[in-house]
Amino acid sequence: DTAVSQTPKYLVTQMGNDKSIKCEQNLGHDTMYWYKQDSKKFLKIMFSYNNKELIINETVPNRFSPKSPDKAHLNLHINSLELGDSAVYFCASSPAVNTEAFFGQGTRLTVV
Amino acid sequence: QKEVEQDPGPLSVPEGAIVSLNCTYSNSAFQYFMWYRQYSRKGPELLMYTYSSGNKEDGRFTAQVDKSSKYISLFIRDSQPSDSATYLCAMTGSGGYQKVTFGTGTKLQVIP
Repeated sequence: DTAVSQTPKYLVTQMGNDKSIKCEQNLGHDTMYWYKQDSKKFLKIMFSYNNKELIINETVPNRFSPKSPDKAHLNLHINSLELGDSAVYFCASSPAVNTEAFFGQGTRLTVV
Repeated sequence: QKEVEQDPGPLSVPEGAIVSLNCTYSNSAFQYFMWYRQYSRKGPELLMYTYSSGNKEDGRFTAQVDKSSKYISLFIRDSQPSDSATYLCAMTGSGGYQKVTFGTGTKLQVIP
């Protein structure tokens, strides 16, 4: 069983489109995250949710809207996609805030 | 100055060598330190998680933290070709909701 799973694995879309990425964790963790990894492999936090509540929002454009329907799910919706949004997006979860995180396999987003 | 500095490499070593990977940081509030391994086109995988200064050993891996020098290291003994990956250090503070800050990663290649 995959601990942190996200779909889709690959996403190619045109500029201006709206897309969603889904994430689910079966580890029973309270905290979930979205990270963005750019072409230089730099991993940067975007959002953090604890018990379905947003606790960290790192100056991300408001075209990005996370939604946590329950503790096990954290989805990411992106409006009006731009070329600069091309990156790998990782979902992660941890037992609590400020503890070790477990990552999904990533969603490689390419905006053309 | 970046909060976390990590030499991007690449670092090439022969099989069986001892590998030393390092990060320096500037934020004295960092209290928790992690090392992740990331294979190409995969999500980061947690290797080590430590809180206090000193050494923590797990099999062939040893994590070392020197808070006075703001310096952390990961040592890999008897390196194997399967250790070839990018190694990311990560750290965070304690108290309240703290984001995890990652280094840029060091690419390691172990040559058979």
